[in-house]
Amino acid sequence: EDQVTQSPEALRLQEGESSSLNCSYTVSGLRGLFWYRQDPGKGPEFLFTLYSAGEEKEKERLKATLTKKESFLHITAPKPEDSATYLCAVEGTSYDKVIFGPGTSLSVIP
Amino acid sequence: DAGVTQSPTHLIKTRGQQVTLRCSPKSGHDTVSWYQQALGQGPQFIFQYYEEEERQRGNFPDRFSGHQFPNYSSELNVNALLLGDSALYLCASSRDEDGYTFGSGTRLTVV
Repeated sequence: EDQVTQSPEALRLQEGESSSLNCSYTVSGLRGLFWYRQDPGKGPEFLFTLYSAGEEKEKERLKATLTKKESFLHITAPKPEDSATYLCAVEGTSYDKVIFGPGTSLSVIP
Repeated sequence: DAGVTQSPTHLIKTRGQQVTLRCSPKSGHDTVSWYQQALGQGPQFIFQYYEEEERQRGNFPDRFSGHQFPNYSSELNVNALLLGDSALYLCASSRDEDGYTFGSGTRLTVV
């Protein structure tokens, strides 16, 4: 069964303290892996799509990487406004739906 | 350009009642997916509509049904509401290889 797990469940960082979030996935054929940011009470906001192992994408302080079994979201010198839940999701080649992981709740302390 | 619009934003219903949630997709998008997100969890896929037909369905009972209209907008209907149906209901629209764009959701509370 296709599955997405994320770690850690929660992460607390000091402002400027870089770190990485992990997303491990099991899917029969990967069409795409997505990273979203979600603020409390709001819908997920699209960050990145990765399609194949070795691919990397960057946006401001965020960088997403992909291997055959996992993806990392690297956060460099985070700021308090980066505090949110980060969701990882996959879409397989055999179906038309996106499967989400449980998310990592990130808190950046000034 | 409006993104995905969902209505209402909040809703309180009594156990056993029926509810209809609405979604207008992002301009140019023709596919609508619905998700249920319980507090502290990731979104769970309910179903997806394309060309006015249900294309894919997640592990949700038949109490959950939907519809897509010719203008690509969509409705999610839930019958015989249970307390456990309380959640944030998210609509996402997409087209071909575009990413999924989510609305802000409808917060449903069943009492």
